[in-house]
Amino acid sequence: KQEVTQIPAALSVPEGENLVLNCSFTDSAIYNLQWFRQDPGKGLTSLLLIQSSQREQTSGRLNASLDKSSGRSTLYIAASQPGDSATYLCAALNDYKLSFGAGTTVTVRA
Amino acid sequence: DTGVSQNPRHKITKRGQNVTFRCDPISEHNRLYWYRQTLGQGPEFLTYFQNEAQLEKSRLLSDRFSAERPKGSFSTLEIQRTEQGDSAMYLCASSAEDRDQPQHFGDGTRLSIL
Repeated sequence: KQEVTQIPAALSVPEGENLVLNCSFTDSAIYNLQWFRQDPGKGLTSLLLIQSSQREQTSGRLNASLDKSSGRSTLYIAASQPGDSATYLCAALNDYKLSFGAGTTVTVRA
Repeated sequence: DTGVSQNPRHKITKRGQNVTFRCDPISEHNRLYWYRQTLGQGPEFLTYFQNEAQLEKSRLLSDRFSAERPKGSFSTLEIQRTEQGDSAMYLCASSAEDRDQPQHFGDGTRLSIL
């Protein structure tokens, strides 16, 4: 059974700092890994998807890396803004189902 | 592309009542998934459909839960004889058949059991 862990559980930074969010998974036989954003009381917004054959994926200020052999992924958010405050979830795809971590709740202070 | 739509957004009911949720996926997606999320946790997989066929069910899906996807379009999730532990956010997602494509999520239905 795939187990996904996210560290830290919460993070508070001043505006402008870079954010580093970590995700680890136990079963390296994944098809891909997705990063999502969740605002309070809302559903999930897909941010980035990294295929198992890729090492990283970039979208604007977001960059995600994947080391499948060590079971790790990292999401970098450059030059954080108060609007980046949310919970960030990573999810590993095995077969057709996603296994999620519990998330990292980010607060960016103005 | 209007996104994944879920109704209702909130449902409050008394313990023992039956509830039904609806999910309308992105129109060209043939895969549909249900997940459940409790406070402070990540979503957990419940079941998924390819077209109208239900291909996998989690052991989290007790016999009080049933999901359908008639004609391979919208899906319903019914919970019979609700219990306090059923209180959660129920999330629906859809995707293309290609596993390289992301799953797109709706805003969920929040269920509260009194």
